[in-house]
Amino acid sequence: AQSVAQPEDQVNVAEGNPLTVKCTYSVSGNPYLFWYVQYPNRGLQFLLKYITGDNLVKGSYGFEAEFNKSQTSFHLKKPSALVSDSALYFCAVRDLRNQGGKLIFGQGTELSVKP
Amino acid sequence: DTAVSQTPKYLVTQMGNDKSIKCEQNLGHDTMYWYKQDSKKFLKIMFSYNNKELIINETVPNRFSPKSPDKAHLNLHINSLELGDSAVYFCASSQAAPTGGETQYFGPGTRLLVL
Repeated sequence: AQSVAQPEDQVNVAEGNPLTVKCTYSVSGNPYLFWYVQYPNRGLQFLLKYITGDNLVKGSYGFEAEFNKSQTSFHLKKPSALVSDSALYFCAVRDLRNQGGKLIFGQGTELSVKP
Repeated sequence: DTAVSQTPKYLVTQMGNDKSIKCEQNLGHDTMYWYKQDSKKFLKIMFSYNNKELIINETVPNRFSPKSPDKAHLNLHINSLELGDSAVYFCASSQAAPTGGETQYFGPGTRLLVL
């Protein structure tokens, strides 16, 4: 079955420190992986995606993610966290078993960046 | 210029009522989706339309009926509202996904509270 898991409900980091939000996946076939961010009372904003090619994917707001096939992981990273990065982060995998390609989301990780 | 818009933003109603949520995208995309985010922030696909044709219908009660008058609009009608329908409903759109890498763009959400 296609699935993603975000093992941490919450991640706390100090401003200026590097951050990592973890995601592991399980798919049959090639994985198409996405990261979205949800700010309080807002919709989801696309951050980045992995389709093929370089394992290190760069996205919006200074975020990047590393695709690791052997560990079936797609962790989101940022070298220096900002207080404004505090939000709910979702990892997702595209399910291609059906036409239309729905996204299957992880349970979300709440990132809190303290000054 | 809002790419994916939803109305209303907030909806408070009584149990047993019928209500509709509207979604419009101006991105020229072929595929539109409805997702439900529950109180624990878990996101799950409900429906997907491609060029006005229903292509994904997850295990959703038949009180929920999507309607796509044209490929830029996807509305969600809910009959006989129940307390458990209280959630945030997100509309999204993407190009048809023959390769799987297309990004889904989300609307701001409609916060439904059933009393």
